[in-house]
Amino acid sequence: DGGITQSPKYLFRKEGQNVTLSCEQNLNHDAMYWYRQDPGQGLRLIYYSQIVNDFQKGDIAEGYSVSREKKESFPLTVTSAQKNPTAFYLCASLNLYTDTQYFGPGTRLTVL
Amino acid sequence: EDQVTQSPEALRLQEGESSSLNCSYTVSGLRGLFWYRQDPGKGPEFLFTLYSAGEEKEKERLKATLTKKESFLHITAPKPEDSATYLCAVRPTDSWGKLQFGAGTQVVVTP
Repeated sequence: DGGITQSPKYLFRKEGQNVTLSCEQNLNHDAMYWYRQDPGQGLRLIYYSQIVNDFQKGDIAEGYSVSREKKESFPLTVTSAQKNPTAFYLCASLNLYTDTQYFGPGTRLTVL
Repeated sequence: EDQVTQSPEALRLQEGESSSLNCSYTVSGLRGLFWYRQDPGKGPEFLFTLYSAGEEKEKERLKATLTKKESFLHITAPKPEDSATYLCAVRPTDSWGKLQFGAGTQVVVTP
């Protein structure tokens, strides 16, 4: 089955800690994206990567970092510099032929 | 600045009661408009892509339409399993796959 997997499903972080969210896809898509979703707000773009070893900041990149060492993987690190990290995080990849983004199941991060 | 506004914020329907959701947008140039369905605690599920004014797409009880300034998602004779949040997103022509999302419309269909 082709798709996007995110882990863990739930993540709890203490203040001052960095945490890394995993995103893996086996769809052979070049471009991948990280979004943040808060109640009552639309999805907001954190980072995106068009190709391996390249990535760009989205609209709300402060306090986050990413890497793209493999086509299949695009992990997101939420650093202690992120002031309000409690949110639902969604990873997506882009099918260039249909111009459509497909999403993973999400990770809910809670800061204790 | 690109903007997407969805209305209403929430919609409660009786089973079989048809209705429409609105997505109005402001972009410098539209490459595509996308509709997604999202169930609580899950990732968005792709429904439709619309590219040009006048275009329509259908899937079961859902029909999406597009004009130059807005899109409608019509739900015909809804069932309780149509309960979800429906998200609208636009892809501007000058973006690299980046989508601008609206806040969504939460639909509840009661038996």
